[in-house]
This record gives sequence, C-alpha cells and structure tokens, in this order.
Amino acid sequence: DTGVSQNPRHKITKRGQNVTFRCDPISEHNRLYWYRQTLGQGPEFLTYFQNEAQLEKSRLLSDRFSAERPKGSFSTLEIQRTEQGDSAMYLCASSFGGGVSYEQYFGPGTRLTVT
Amino acid sequence: GQQLNQSPQSMFIQEGEDVSMNCTSSSIFNTWLWYKQDPGEGPVLLIALYKAGELTSNGRLTAQFGITRKDSFLNISASIPSDVGIYFCAGQLRNAGNMLTFGGGTRLMVKP
Repeated sequence: DTGVSQNPRHKITKRGQNVTFRCDPISEHNRLYWYRQTLGQGPEFLTYFQNEAQLEKSRLLSDRFSAERPKGSFSTLEIQRTEQGDSAMYLCASSFGGGVSYEQYFGPGTRLTVT
Repeated sequence: GQQLNQSPQSMFIQEGEDVSMNCTSSSIFNTWLWYKQDPGEGPVLLIALYKAGELTSNGRLTAQFGITRKDSFLNISASIPSDVGIYFCAGQLRNAGNMLTFGGGTRLMVKP
C-alpha cells in the first residue's frame, strides 16, 4: 500500500501526559500537512512542511504542540501536557508541491482520547 | 477556525435518488476539492476542481466550481447504500501554502 499511513490509530492517555504521533506520507510527496478534527466538524489546519522545513503554523497550534519532519520524509506531532480539549482525530495529508496537482491525500488518522 | 458553509447538514434519501449539496465561502478560492469520510477513517479525495465554471465528473459524482469562485456543488446520481458517509468540501489557495479550509460536512444516509 503506497498511501499515507499514521500510527498509532488510537491513543488513550491521561491528562498531563505527553503523546507523539507519526505520519508517513506518500513517498514522492514533498509536502506534508497536519489537521485536527473534532466530532461533527470538518478538519482544521494545524501546520505544514515542505521537505524538512516547517513553513506555516496555525494559531490552533499552541506552545504544547510541536511537529517535526527531520529528513523530509516521515513527520511526528507531539503534544505535551495533554488536556481534555486535545481529544480529537489528528489527520495527516501529503501532496506533491509543484506542477498542476495540489491535491492532498489523507491518512486514516490518529484518534486521541484524553481522560 | 474558519470553515466554509456547507449545506444541507444531513440528508436521508431513498436508494436510487439523486443528491445535491453545496458549499459557500465569503472568500475566493482557486481550487475546490470534495472528500468523503467514513466513520473512524480519514477523508478520501473524490474530485478536484481548478477553474471557475469547471464541471468535472467521477463516475456517478459530478462537481462544479462556481463562477464567483466562492462556491462549489456536488451531485451524486442514482445513490446506492455505499454512498453513506460524510461529504466535505474544501477550498484551497494554490501557491499560498495550499492548506485546505473545510466545510462542516454533509451527512448522507441512504435507505435501501
């Protein structure tokens, strides 16, 4: 399967703990995006990378959130000192940054539950 | 955060019926995309539109990029039970980060 993969698919954690999610994009895609989706809503943009450079961050991305893409391939999203309001589906998408196609392809998501 | 206005919020239709949904924005986008999401899964891309007025089909799905560049429409013909899910529109500004702004979704339920 050559689609976007995310791990883990589900994470349950206690408030105050740190969590880290991983995203592996489609191999030839140089752009990688993180979105957050709460129940009953559409996904909301968090941040994106072109290769290893983090080019934009949403105001939704508080100081407790950090994302990396060290070698321009996979990316990690870490949430420190989790809060119940962080409970959501975290989605990763990738695209080929260039040419005429700007389509973003999503992974299956990581469902985070903070208790 | 900003979201597009998507309507209707939900639809309950009979199998075989045609379905129409739309998405409006106060801002201009130069790309519109339509996704379908099943419970517990990520959105799956259905159709991408790149030019105002463009009409694009993908099987039983047809989508249009509004002339004003502030809206888009999705039609599904002859619905079947596997069409059940949540349909999201997303607007994109190419060459400005390309991040997507999503609508709130239309939940489609199909009665066999």
